[in-house]
Amino acid sequence: AQSVTQPDIHITVSEGASLELRCNYSYGATPYLFWYVQSPGQGLQLLLKYFSGDTLVQGIKGFEAEFKRSQSSFNLRKPSVHWSDAAEYFCAVGDQAAGNKLTFGGGTRVLVKP
Amino acid sequence: DAGVTQSPTHLIKTRGQQVTLRCSPISGHKSVSWYQQVLGQGPQFIFQYYEKEERGRGNFPDRFSARQFPNYSSELNVNALLLGDSALYLCASSQENNSPLHFGNGTRLTVT
Repeated sequence: AQSVTQPDIHITVSEGASLELRCNYSYGATPYLFWYVQSPGQGLQLLLKYFSGDTLVQGIKGFEAEFKRSQSSFNLRKPSVHWSDAAEYFCAVGDQAAGNKLTFGGGTRVLVKP
Repeated sequence: DAGVTQSPTHLIKTRGQQVTLRCSPISGHKSVSWYQQVLGQGPQFIFQYYEKEERGRGNFPDRFSARQFPNYSSELNVNALLLGDSALYLCASSQENNSPLHFGNGTRLTVT
């Protein structure tokens, strides 16, 4: 069965500093991988996705993620954080054979200090 | 274009009652999925419907059921509510069966 682990429950970062959120997955074949962001009281917004090809994926809002098959990881990065990036971030893995069934990690809450 | 819309936004029910949540997908999207997000956790997959047929079901009891209508909107029904059913219920739509999901803002269900 597929699973996703986000080791960091909370991360606090200063505005302007870099951010890296960790994601490790367990999946038998080549996975579909996603990062979503959720602001308080809101649904989830897709930041970026990896299906195949280039292992460095660019997303919206200046985020990028790198797929590393050897480490079963898909870490999310942003070079310079803005106060508006304070939110909860979810990594998810999709089953290529099962359509839109996504398995989500537990999330990482990002706090941004002024 | 309007995004995924869900109604109601908030709902309070008593244990044992039944509830129906509604979802309208983005225009042109044929697939609707439902997820349950308990406070402090990631969303968990409940159902997926594509072209009005059930395409996937998560590990939820039979008290949970859903359907998709000819206009691709969807309803999620939960019978015999338990306190543990209190959660944010998220609906997501996609153009095709394997396309990326677009989520609505959810329905916050509180069971007392």
